[in-house]
Amino acid sequence: GAGVSQTPSNKVTEKGKYVELRCDPISGHTALYWYRQSLGQGPEFLIYFQGTGAADDSGLPNDRFFAVRPEGSVSTLKIQRTERGDSAVYLCASSLTRGEGYTFGSGTRLTVV
Amino acid sequence: EDQVTQSPEALRLQEGESSSLNCSYTVSGLRGLFWYRQDPGKGPEFLFTLYSAGEEKEKERLKATLTKKESFLHITAPKPEDSATYLCAVRSGSEKLVFGKGTKLTVNP
Repeated sequence: GAGVSQTPSNKVTEKGKYVELRCDPISGHTALYWYRQSLGQGPEFLIYFQGTGAADDSGLPNDRFFAVRPEGSVSTLKIQRTERGDSAVYLCASSLTRGEGYTFGSGTRLTVV
Repeated sequence: EDQVTQSPEALRLQEGESSSLNCSYTVSGLRGLFWYRQDPGKGPEFLFTLYSAGEEKEKERLKATLTKKESFLHITAPKPEDSATYLCAVRSGSEKLVFGKGTKLTVNP
């Protein structure tokens, strides 16, 4: 596609529920990144994929967070047993190669009530 | 640990009033300093990457410069459509970017 697509754009869930957030990167982009942005803060790194493999998952806050990219294109960020502190905008980005500036999607706003 | 501090947190300008935004950083081996623009409800939009001290890049009314400790984003004769939050980020030893909190710029007509 022309840009990075994230779905849903908004998600409201109850504390303790499981959620999945989807990212469709720009076609042909091999690098994919997930970031989380809280109100008034800059984006915070979560995980980076090069192809199908997670090359760096050092930003995942705990084992409730997991991400996959099984075919090297679409990625899903999965959050188990959601907590109110997980509420934030989850941003996905992609790039053609390592090292260049990313293209971000518009994000998924997750609200845990 | 890589750190990025942006100042001011917020800046109000009149249309045509030039100014600069500051990004101070500490990294163990800079592999790129990035500037992004973010509009409300949108993801960050890539503006520039700078790699070494002395480097400068320009795009329309924006000019980014880099020293060994900081970067400046100069805005010349801004227009209301330049209103946005400007984010600075650095990359050192890995592919992740470390972002500052941003400067919210408002340009009044």
